[in-house]
Amino acid sequence: NAGVMQNPRHLVRRRGQEARLRCSPMKGHSHVYWYRQLPEEGLKFMVYLQKENIIDESGMPKERFSAEFPKEGPSILRIQQVVRGDSAAYFCASSPPTSRYEQYFGPGTRLTVT
Amino acid sequence: DQQVKQNSPSLSVQEGRISILNCDYTNSMFDYFLWYKKYPAEGPTFLISISSIKDKNEDGRFTVFLNKSAKHLSLHIVPSQPGDSAVYFCAASVASGTYKYIFGTGTRLKVLA
Repeated sequence: NAGVMQNPRHLVRRRGQEARLRCSPMKGHSHVYWYRQLPEEGLKFMVYLQKENIIDESGMPKERFSAEFPKEGPSILRIQQVVRGDSAAYFCASSPPTSRYEQYFGPGTRLTVT
Repeated sequence: DQQVKQNSPSLSVQEGRISILNCDYTNSMFDYFLWYKKYPAEGPTFLISISSIKDKNEDGRFTVFLNKSAKHLSLHIVPSQPGDSAVYFCAASVASGTYKYIFGTGTRLKVLA
């Protein structure tokens, strides 16, 4: 059973460009969480999704950030018009429907905005 | 507002000795606590967890203690091994919510051979 997959692992964008980060949860997992880790800080919750639904986006910046988890395919975290302050590691975690305390993390996408 | 705090950014321990990592929280609604280990350029890996109805949970070399009255938990690693060198994050969650984790800022553990 493959773990949580994230791609790309590294992404470089110029200011003003769009960044798309993908997350494929573990097989059988229907819950996806996105977290962001800024340099020298802990991980901070951004958004929680189930298939086709955003359940909690309280940690997501109000502008430029959006997330989706379609019926088919990976979850996508999209950042429009990136700024230097968006440079961070973005981690996705998935959990099974029967044990939502268990979150399994992917390797992360390191976004660098130049 | 930092609801979960790890006040020691780093800790060095001799191989074979005990490592004690501490974590404090402020939100009394938290009812589940976890410790994750993280190596550079990798995602966090689950280590051990504890429910608020317990005060101790043990798994091999790892033991987590929870003191609800003090809103404090600690992770004990004994004996410590060089492969334990990593950043350790504690996290807390609320069962009645969305199960999202609130993480501390991490403690970098270095086990010296």
